[in-house]
Amino acid sequence: ILNVEQSPQSLHVQEGDSTNFTCSFPSSNFYALHWYRWETAKSPEALFVMTLNGDEKKKGRISATLNTKEGYSYLYIKGSQPEDSATYLCALARHYGQNFVFGPGTRLSVLP
Amino acid sequence: DGGITQSPKYLFRKEGQNVTLSCEQNLNHDAMYWYRQDPGQGLRLIYYSQIVNDFQKGDIAEGYSVSREKKESFPLTVTSAQKNPTAFYLCASRGDPNTEAFFGQGTRLTVV
Repeated sequence: ILNVEQSPQSLHVQEGDSTNFTCSFPSSNFYALHWYRWETAKSPEALFVMTLNGDEKKKGRISATLNTKEGYSYLYIKGSQPEDSATYLCALARHYGQNFVFGPGTRLSVLP
Repeated sequence: DGGITQSPKYLFRKEGQNVTLSCEQNLNHDAMYWYRQDPGQGLRLIYYSQIVNDFQKGDIAEGYSVSREKKESFPLTVTSAQKNPTAFYLCASRGDPNTEAFFGQGTRLTVV
């Protein structure tokens, strides 16, 4: 079974702090990496779909980078707000149309 | 509004009973997925379907069954053969394989 790892498992930051976490995956046979945000009592929502080595995507205060050669992606949140509190999931597909395998997630808590 | 709907939100089952979880989408997506989440673990794939009348086992299909008679619907049956069915179940759908998945709000199944 393909192993997708995320670190840290959980994170507590103060409002206004910037933070980042990591998704690691086998670097062979990469096709796409997804990032999702999952707030409590809601459905997971897509943040980014990344396909190219060196990709950098941004949505508001959240951005992500991708390194397929070394097998990792970083998610950055600038100036964290309490509403950023959620579990952040990454998911990997190794081939076109293949199901994606999820990492265990990073649970972020932003304290006011 | 377009979306994906799971029902019920909470479900209680007696040991030895089969139970069916509903998942309906009106996004015109071809692919649909069932995931299971246990505490401290990531989403694990139970079954998936890429097209009507076809479905494939995921990583943890034992004790589960599905059908895909209509594009909109992908019900999951948790059978009495599933040894540890208490978990949170999440359904998802996806259109183009290059795009993100859309998720329902989940069903929490408890065996009593």
